[in-house]
Amino acid sequence: AQSVTQLDSQVPVFEEAPVELRCNYSSSVSVYLFWYVQYPNQGLQLLLKYLSGSTLVKGINGFEAEFNKSQTSFHLRKPSVHISDTAEYFCAVSVDSGGYNKLIFGAGTRLAVHP
Amino acid sequence: DAGVIQSPRHEVTEMGQEVTLRCKPISGHNSLFWYRQTMMRGLELLIYFNNNVPIDDSGMPEDRFSAKMPNASFSTLKIQPSEPRDSAVYFCASSLGDRGEAFFGQGTRLTVV
Repeated sequence: AQSVTQLDSQVPVFEEAPVELRCNYSSSVSVYLFWYVQYPNQGLQLLLKYLSGSTLVKGINGFEAEFNKSQTSFHLRKPSVHISDTAEYFCAVSVDSGGYNKLIFGAGTRLAVHP
Repeated sequence: DAGVIQSPRHEVTEMGQEVTLRCKPISGHNSLFWYRQTMMRGLELLIYFNNNVPIDDSGMPEDRFSAKMPNASFSTLKIQPSEPRDSAVYFCASSLGDRGEAFFGQGTRLTVV
């Protein structure tokens, strides 16, 4: 069965510092990978996605992620965070389920940016 | 496009009452998903539809939960009877094509007292 593991439930970081949020997935088939962000009392918003091609994917708000097939990872990075990046971040994998794709989410990582 | 629209945004109801959550997907999208989010269990996929047909409802917790999609622009998730443990934020999402990228609504925060 496919699954997504986000290795850190919480990541505290100071403003303007770099950050990496880790994500590993398990799947025996090709997958599409996503990072979503959820601000308080909001729905989930797509940050970036990997469908195919270049393994380095750039998204909104200065975030990027690298798909590593051998390590089955899709870690999210930002070189310099802002207070406004404080939110919950979800890694997700889309898996073909008999001709239909469904999204499976990790447990989420709460990023707390401190001044 | 207005995005995925869910109503109501908040719902408070008494245990035993019927609750109906509504969703309008993005026009042209052919897949619709209902998720439930709680602190304990995170984001759980309850059910998803493709071209208005329920494809996988294995995530629906009990027979008290039911979902319908009578047409391409409307879906409901019903809980009857509701219980306090159903308290959660319920999200609807829609997508187009086979890549799985989903667009989420703002969610309905359900509180059952």
